[in-house]
Amino acid sequence: GAVVSQHPSWVICKSGTSVKIECRSLDFQATTMFWYRQFPKQSLMLMATSNEGSKATYEQGVEKDKFLINHASLTLSTLTVTSAHPEDSSFYICSARFPGPSYEQYFGPGTRLTVT
Amino acid sequence: AQSVTQLGSHVSVSEGALVLLRCNYSSSVPPYLFWYVQYPNQGLQLLLKYTSAATLVKGINGFEAEFKKSETSFHLTKPSAHMSDAAEYFCAVSDGGAQKLVFGQGTRLTINP
Repeated sequence: GAVVSQHPSWVICKSGTSVKIECRSLDFQATTMFWYRQFPKQSLMLMATSNEGSKATYEQGVEKDKFLINHASLTLSTLTVTSAHPEDSSFYICSARFPGPSYEQYFGPGTRLTVT
Repeated sequence: AQSVTQLGSHVSVSEGALVLLRCNYSSSVPPYLFWYVQYPNQGLQLLLKYTSAATLVKGINGFEAEFKKSETSFHLTKPSAHMSDAAEYFCAVSDGGAQKLVFGQGTRLTINP
């Protein structure tokens, strides 16, 4: 159990276009999901917290108009990178908080975004 | 505020040897602590978690960790390393109310044949 999927696993887009990444919890309901960004050989940087039915909470320094997050249901959150530029190229990982008091998160396999 | 420090960005051991990955935390509240493993170009997999029950926590793939409050540590160990253990390992602490995880910088484990 506790499986989280992401789609697509990799995507190449042209500068100025937008790209949407989906994160799904497959076998549990997640009221809270998280979006991370990871640069090569570095740790995960939390971008935002996504709560079902409400606006996402963005970390300091993350442009909310550039990284649009929608948590439309208890099993789906989406991250849209708008007007992408080469510096947005990165590995994006989502996680879903498992129900219960321990705050454990289960992670998706990640999406490699390359902006040309 | 919570924080995590992983001592050693790179640890190298021989196959069959003891694996010890160090993690120290800082938390203003009783912490929930986690170890995750990441293989190349993949997401993170939960190895084990400490949630204020037993201080010695057993996880998957033969790993375990011991919570030591006096030392503010949560080191990860495995008695005998396998080649398949080569990966990046992250220690994390939950900040409780906001439900966010704060990650350490990671430790790359290399297994020598």
